[in-house]
Amino acid sequence: NAGVMQNPRHLVRRRGQEARLRCSPMKGHSHVYWYRQLPEEGLKFMVYLQKENIIDESGMPKERFSAEFPKEGPSILRIQQVVRGDSAAYFCASSPPGQGRNTIYFGEGSWLTVV
Amino acid sequence: AQRVTQPEKLLSVFKGAPVELKCNYSYSGSPELFWYVQYSRQRLQLLLRHISRESIKGFTADLNKGETSFHLKKPFAQEEDSAMYYCALTSGNKLVFGAGTILRVKS
Repeated sequence: NAGVMQNPRHLVRRRGQEARLRCSPMKGHSHVYWYRQLPEEGLKFMVYLQKENIIDESGMPKERFSAEFPKEGPSILRIQQVVRGDSAAYFCASSPPGQGRNTIYFGEGSWLTVV
Repeated sequence: AQRVTQPEKLLSVFKGAPVELKCNYSYSGSPELFWYVQYSRQRLQLLLRHISRESIKGFTADLNKGETSFHLKKPFAQEEDSAMYYCALTSGNKLVFGAGTILRVKS
């Protein structure tokens, strides 16, 4: 089992461009979480998804950010018209169905730099 | 609101010294609490959870409901313990994390 896979690991974007971060959950996991780690701050919850459904997006900024977890393929966190303040590490995590938050596993993160 | 507070951004100790990483929480109800560790630019790994009362890599943590604390302790620090440590609690569908504490173990 390869674990939670995130790509790209590092992404550089100019202000105004779009950033797409991908997350492949562990095999058998149908729940995906996205967290953001800003410099000097802790991890902030962004969104929780199950296949084809957004369950909780209470941590997502109201504009420019969106997330999806299609029936096939990875989960994608999309940031449109990036600004310098979007520079952060974005962590994806996954968990299997029915086992609650105790068995959540994290990916290695995607580091976004906006120049 | 559910909140996790880790008051120390950085804790620096010498090898062999005891370590205590502080964590306080606010939560209405019975929380589930965890400690995660992140070695340099790697993924977060679950270190331990309060419900299992286990000891991992020599670390222990006891939930103190009276003081709403879940401090992480180790009697003798090792250099390989140097990492970022996050305290977290479950809130609905998600984990709520503290700001993290960097532990530096000096030789």
